[in-house]
Amino acid sequence: EAGVTQFPSHSVIEKGQTVTLRCDPISGHDNLYWYRRVMGKEIKFLLHFVKESKQDESGMPNNRFLAERTGGTYSTLKVQPAELEDSGVYFCASSQDAGLKTIQYFGAGTRLSVL
Amino acid sequence: AQSVTQPDIHITVSEGASLELRCNYSYGATPYLFWYVQSPGQGLQLLLKYFSGDTLVQGIKGFEAEFKRSQSSFNLRKPSVHWSDAAEYFCAVPLANNLFFGTGTRLTVIP
Repeated sequence: EAGVTQFPSHSVIEKGQTVTLRCDPISGHDNLYWYRRVMGKEIKFLLHFVKESKQDESGMPNNRFLAERTGGTYSTLKVQPAELEDSGVYFCASSQDAGLKTIQYFGAGTRLSVL
Repeated sequence: AQSVTQPDIHITVSEGASLELRCNYSYGATPYLFWYVQSPGQGLQLLLKYFSGDTLVQGIKGFEAEFKRSQSSFNLRKPSVHWSDAAEYFCAVPLANNLFFGTGTRLTVIP
């Protein structure tokens, strides 16, 4: 069974440009999460989808970030326009159900460098 | 407010030596706790979890962790480290439908 896959693994863009990150969850997982790790800091929650609906987007830093999950399968996270402070590693995770005892399965992350 | 602290940013151990990575939590009730590991080029992988019951939890790859309520700790241990254990380790607490992570501890293993 394929795990969570993320594309690209690394993206280098200039300030002001747009970047789109993609996440393919484990097949059958209704729950999809995005997290971000800024260098030297902890991994922070961004948002949570249940199927195609945003269940919790309390961690999204500002309106330059747009997450979608059309059809409840893969998800994209777009940053437009990118700023220097957006650099970091963006992780995607998925789970079959949700709750405190849920095990989330993570992808390898996309390293975003904004120059 | 809930928090998770990993006091050690970087630890270096010799191959074959024992390992203990520290995790302290601040939580109103008895927490659920996880340890994840990220090896180079890989996603975060769950090592072990604590929900309730036995305070000594066994995980994958020979790791174990002990929940100590009196010390608000959930330290990760391994009796003999292998070179392949070089990675970054994260302690985490589940909150509603997301995970709250510590800052991570990077482990270097020297021959």
